[in-house]
Amino acid sequence: GAGVSQSPSNKVTEKGKDVELRCDPISGHTALYWYRQSLGQGLEFLIYFQGNSAPDKSGLPSDRFSAERTGGSVSTLTIQRTQQEDSAVYLCASGVMIRSTRDGLSYEQYFGPGTRLTVT
Amino acid sequence: QKEVEQNSGPLSVPEGAIASLNCTYSDRVSQSFFWYRQYSGKSPELIMSIYSNGDKEDGRFTAQLNKASQYVSLLIRDSQPSDSATYLCAVPRSYIPTFGRGTSLIVHP
Repeated sequence: GAGVSQSPSNKVTEKGKDVELRCDPISGHTALYWYRQSLGQGLEFLIYFQGNSAPDKSGLPSDRFSAERTGGSVSTLTIQRTQQEDSAVYLCASGVMIRSTRDGLSYEQYFGPGTRLTVT
Repeated sequence: QKEVEQNSGPLSVPEGAIASLNCTYSDRVSQSFFWYRQYSGKSPELIMSIYSNGDKEDGRFTAQLNKASQYVSLLIRDSQPSDSATYLCAVPRSYIPTFGRGTSLIVHP
């Protein structure tokens, strides 16, 4: 079946420009996550959506970063006034709940192919 | 102490050997544990999940969980060169999985 898709796959932009990154999750998955991964680094959590709500925005690096999700489906991550340190691969993951435990709901995550952002 | 720790490696094993990847975590209340595989230049792919103490087998992969000692491991039997990748351990804290930095595995012919 269809997996998670992200667009564009590559984006080169000039410092100071705004960019929008899109994520189409797996149909029926209620949770959606955004991460970024710099070269040779681990995954950095950015934001989590449950439906259209974002109960946890703690990972957004600055107020230049924002995200929304509409219709419980597509999500857009917007970076305003891009800086060179924003260069990274931005990954979206679609989450399906697999169990409920005393520490909360647990989701299996399925990642999209990512968007490689280069800020020149 | 980092929440999820993995040896960065690289772990180098010969083809056909057993590769053993380890992960320790700090949050005692964690109940779910995941292993992801990430090939160079690709996104992570879920390969195993485990929730109960003991072993869980899936093909050549076995996940082992010991909650008392707060570690989870992944064994890969009959390692193949195609298994060469970075293996990420993920331990949820509430809704948010915390990922380790990953262990690089190299399987040489």
